Amino acid sequence: GAVVSQHPSWVICKSGTSVKIECRSLDFQATTMFWYRQFPKQSLMLMATSNEGSKATYEQGVEKDKFLINHASLTLSTLTVTSAHPEDSSFYICSASAGRGGEKLFFGSGTQLSVL
Amino acid sequence: RKEVEQDPGPFNVPEGATVAFNCTYSNSASQSFFWYRQDCRKEPKLLMSVYSSGNEDGRFTAQLNRASQYISLLIRDSKLSDSATYLCVVNGLDSNYQLIWGAGTKLIIKP
Repeated sequence: GAVVSQHPSWVICKSGTSVKIECRSLDFQATTMFWYRQFPKQSLMLMATSNEGSKATYEQGVEKDKFLINHASLTLSTLTVTSAHPEDSSFYICSASAGRGGEKLFFGSGTQLSVL
Repeated sequence: RKEVEQDPGPFNVPEGATVAFNCTYSNSASQSFFWYRQDCRKEPKLLMSVYSSGNEDGRFTAQLNRASQYISLLIRDSKLSDSATYLCVVNGLDSNYQLIWGAGTKLIIKP
């Protein structure tokens, strides 16, 4: 099946630093990628939808200036958490769409971010 | 009311037993439904889609009740490896193929 690679798997950083997370589709072209955040014992929350070559669409309540998304190619999307604070500590997951619907959605392995 | 609601559990079930849990959704116009499985701090993995007529995949059976707006997942002959969090997912109707995720039901299979 399709593979989505997400790096890094975990990161610990000091408050105020920026962290970049990469999401790559390895064997297919993903015109659309999604970024989710998951706090402990909570559901996956969609943060933004990223379309190749255009600006990301952010969900209500997600600060676009804090969570910078770049989707420069059909196989790579990045999420940068700028000036991270402890409340940004969470599990971030990307997914790439190979077609319409949940059956063609492939997930990265997630990034656990801990901000000290 | 949340768009997708699940009993968080945990459901503690002995190995070999049958377990079932439901998920309710609020948007009556929803068209696609899925069950995902998520292990701790791992990415969710598609377990099965849920079709209107109900569908079965080995020990797993999924059903949809549109009138009452819920879907169910039944696991027969449960295995230790079935221990995980099961996420109910409903596809919205917007052009971004947005998925609405339940918070998950935690299942613990005990020997």
